[in-house]
Amino acid sequence: GQNIDQPTEMTATEGAIVQINCTYQTSGFNGLFWYQQHAGEAPTFLSYNVLDGLEEKGRFSSFLSRSKGYSYLLLKELQMKDSASYLCAAMDSNYQLIWGAGTKLIIKP
Amino acid sequence: GAVVSQHPSWVICKSGTSVKIECRSLDFQATTMFWYRQFPKQSLMLMATSNEGSKATYEQGVEKDKFLINHASLTLSTLTVTSAHPEDSSFYICSARDEDRWGPLHFGNGTRLTVT
Repeated sequence: GQNIDQPTEMTATEGAIVQINCTYQTSGFNGLFWYQQHAGEAPTFLSYNVLDGLEEKGRFSSFLSRSKGYSYLLLKELQMKDSASYLCAAMDSNYQLIWGAGTKLIIKP
Repeated sequence: GAVVSQHPSWVICKSGTSVKIECRSLDFQATTMFWYRQFPKQSLMLMATSNEGSKATYEQGVEKDKFLINHASLTLSTLTVTSAHPEDSSFYICSARDEDRWGPLHFGNGTRLTVT
């Protein structure tokens, strides 16, 4: 079956760096997405990886290893506003998104 | 660009009534839109894929007669929750892609439905 695993919750300190991991198993693969979702709001798109390697976008970077079925989202210089849930989603061979349950990130001063 | 507008943001209705939620792509055309439901502290669950000019494709376990989807134009899809019950209370979110099938999904702001 198709499956996405990511930690349920993580805690980090303001100004620090945090890495949120995601492993996936899908029927075929057409890319890995990361979304940010603040409480009570809809998700917003952060990044998309389809090739192996690191994609950097400001304070956020996303990494993909297709052979390992593994991705991570790296957040640098954490700010209080980064407190949110981070959703990992893999696109299968039918271009359907398989969603993880999300990682709730708590930022402490 | 790639703005998806969803209306209303929240709605409270009585049990047994019907509620319509609109989803519009404001600056692009969307032949396909997706309707999700999210219960508190749970992940997004795809309910159905809305196809312009044709019938929606529903996920397993989603009642098509209860959740009516209409995608009459390239910029508008509607979800009607018919005969709503308290267990239908949830956060409903629509989304669409502005590019080809590989592009990221852009989400509306969601509709918080409370059925009393």
